[in-house]
Amino acid sequence: NAGVTQTPKFRILKIGQSMTLQCTQDMNHNYMYWYRQDPGMGLKLIYYSVGAGITDKGEVPNGYNVSRSTTEDFPLRLELAAPSQTSVYFCASSDYRGFYEQYFGPGTRLTVT
Amino acid sequence: KQEVTQIPAALSVPEGENLVLNCSFTDSAIYNLQWFRQDPGKGLTSLLLIQSSQREQTSGRLNASLDKSSGRSTLYIAASQPGDSATYLCAVNRSDKFYFGSGTKLNVKP
Repeated sequence: NAGVTQTPKFRILKIGQSMTLQCTQDMNHNYMYWYRQDPGMGLKLIYYSVGAGITDKGEVPNGYNVSRSTTEDFPLRLELAAPSQTSVYFCASSDYRGFYEQYFGPGTRLTVT
Repeated sequence: KQEVTQIPAALSVPEGENLVLNCSFTDSAIYNLQWFRQDPGKGLTSLLLIQSSQREQTSGRLNASLDKSSGRSTLYIAASQPGDSATYLCAVNRSDKFYFGSGTKLNVKP
């Protein structure tokens, strides 16, 4: 049971480039989340999804897009990368059957220069 | 908007001490509260989940309590060990979203 997996682990982008961060979970969870964590700070919610085909904005959605075509996958797209998007990105999943206990992936460390 | 605060931001204790980490939140209408551990450069590991109807949860040397009416939770770590050194975060779940505190960075000295 792999849980929540994220790729890549590290990435350096130039300003203006785009990329997709991948997230997959194998626990059949309905809820999936994308967070960013800046140094010394807690996690800020970017986008979340309550099921395939349904997504909604979190606290800091600007500059990002998501899609959820399957239960397992929840990719995060960065368009026109900016230095302010340098951060560590975490994907998580949960389900009502587990009282919404969140399970996290290992994170993607992104640097935009 | 839900605000989550963790005090202290950092804590250094000698090995063997019992310690308490604090988490407070502004809106008591929560579904559950979850405590996590984060090691440097790593993801978050779930430690304990307390549902809103519960008062406490225990796992090994860890005990978490929840007082919804006062907007507080505490994480009690008994007989601390150097391997407990990490950042501890709490998160409250309201509706579909989780709100995180900034964490308490714990250092347990041998």
